[in-house]
Amino acid sequence: GAGVSQSPRYKVAKRGQDVALRCDPISGHVSLFWYQQALGQGPEFLTYFQNEAQLDKSGLPSDRFFAERPEGSVSTLKIQRTQQEDSAVYLCASSTRGGVANYGYTFGSGTRLTVV
Amino acid sequence: QKEVEQNSGPLSVPEGAIASLNCTYSDRGSQSFFWYRQYSGKSPELIMFIYSNGDKEDGRFTAQLNKASQYVSLLIRDSQPSDSATYLCAVNVGSNYQLIWGAGTKLIIKP
Repeated sequence: GAGVSQSPRYKVAKRGQDVALRCDPISGHVSLFWYQQALGQGPEFLTYFQNEAQLDKSGLPSDRFFAERPEGSVSTLKIQRTQQEDSAVYLCASSTRGGVANYGYTFGSGTRLTVV
Repeated sequence: QKEVEQNSGPLSVPEGAIASLNCTYSDRGSQSFFWYRQYSGKSPELIMFIYSNGDKEDGRFTAQLNKASQYVSLLIRDSQPSDSATYLCAVNVGSNYQLIWGAGTKLIIKP
């Protein structure tokens, strides 16, 4: 695709509900990232994939958060038993380069999750 | 202590003037520095990045690094109303893939 695509664009979940957020990176991009951005804050790192391998999940806030990228392309971020503090924009980014910190990366439009 | 800090603003600048945005970082080993622009309700978009070895100019934008004082600046010349946005600074710390982000500075260009 032309850019990083995320869906849904908006999600309202009742507290305790499970949600799944999808990211479709730019075709051929090796690296994929998930970030969480609270209102008025910068993005916070959640997890990093290189192809299908999840190389770093140190930023996932709790074991309710789970991410996968089984075929090295589309990724899903799953949040179980959502809590109000999970309300944020979830950003996905991808890059063609493994050493991406030297080049920056391209973000998708994000999914705004509101837990009520 | 937060690793990357920015003044939240808002910073108000008249149209046509130079806007100067700063970002301080705590890790002396940081090698790469990024400036992203984020319009309200949109995702961040990369404006430019620099390495620890030098400054960079790209059109109306200049990024400068002061390693001794551990801050990086973004200068926007001939500011336009369309430059009004939140500017996020990000720094590569440690790993070759992870960026640490500031909270952003809101810039308002007054016509």
